[in-house]
Amino acid sequence: GQNIDQPTEMTATEGAIVQINCTYQTSGFNGLFWYQQHAGEAPTFLSYNVLDGLEEKGRFSSFLSRSKGYSYLLLKELQMKDSASYLCAASPSGNTPLVFGKGTRLSVIA
Amino acid sequence: EAGVAQSPRYKIIEKRQSVAFWCNPISGHATLYWYQQILGQGPKLLIQFQNNGVVDDSQLPKDRFSAERLKGVDSTLKIQPAKLEDSAVYLCASSLGTDWAGQETQYFGPGTRLLVL
Repeated sequence: GQNIDQPTEMTATEGAIVQINCTYQTSGFNGLFWYQQHAGEAPTFLSYNVLDGLEEKGRFSSFLSRSKGYSYLLLKELQMKDSASYLCAASPSGNTPLVFGKGTRLSVIA
Repeated sequence: EAGVAQSPRYKIIEKRQSVAFWCNPISGHATLYWYQQILGQGPKLLIQFQNNGVVDDSQLPKDRFSAERLKGVDSTLKIQPAKLEDSAVYLCASSLGTDWAGQETQYFGPGTRLLVL
C-alpha cells in the first residue's frame, strides 16, 4: 500500500526556521514533491526531489533520503505569508499517480 | 500563460441532486487530473486522463461519479446523485504529459467548493 505521514499542525515565530518532516512508504519510488496550499486556494508547486540530499531554493529547501523513506521541507526567515498547509506527495514507480499526505498546517506568529 | 481554469467556484446543492464541474487545463498539457479534497485532508485522485483516454480511475466512485474529456482538452466531472459526504473541494490539475505522470509537476486550478445539504 501507499502511506504518507506528516505532522498535522506546527506553529513557528516570524523570522525563525521551521522544518516540516514527511515519511513515506510506497510501492516503488520515483521522487517526492512539496506543495504549498493557502487556505481556500489551490496547491502550488514548491519542490521535487529525486536524488538524496538537500536542494535549496531561496528561503525554502527540501531534503530527501531514499533509504530512510524520509523528506523534510525547511523554511527560513519565516514570514506571515508562509502560513499555509504544506503537502508532501510521493511518486510511486512507473505511471502510478501521486500519493498526497494530509498536509501540515503551519501557523506563523509574530 | 493562463493557468488551469475551473467553474463554478462554489456550488451548494441538496442531496440526491446532480452537479457538474468544468475544467480547462493549461494549453498544451496532455494530462488532466481530477482530485477530491475533503477539509483537513490531502487531495485524493479521482481520475487521470492522458489526452482523451483514461489512465487511472481506480478511486472514482463509478456508481455516482463520471468524467469525460472528449476532445482531449477541457473536461467535465459529474456527480449524480450527490451525497452529503461528497462535500469537498474538487481540484483539477494538468501536466505536460511527456513523462511519467507521477514525475511531472502538476498545476492546479482554483477548485470548486461543493456543499451538499
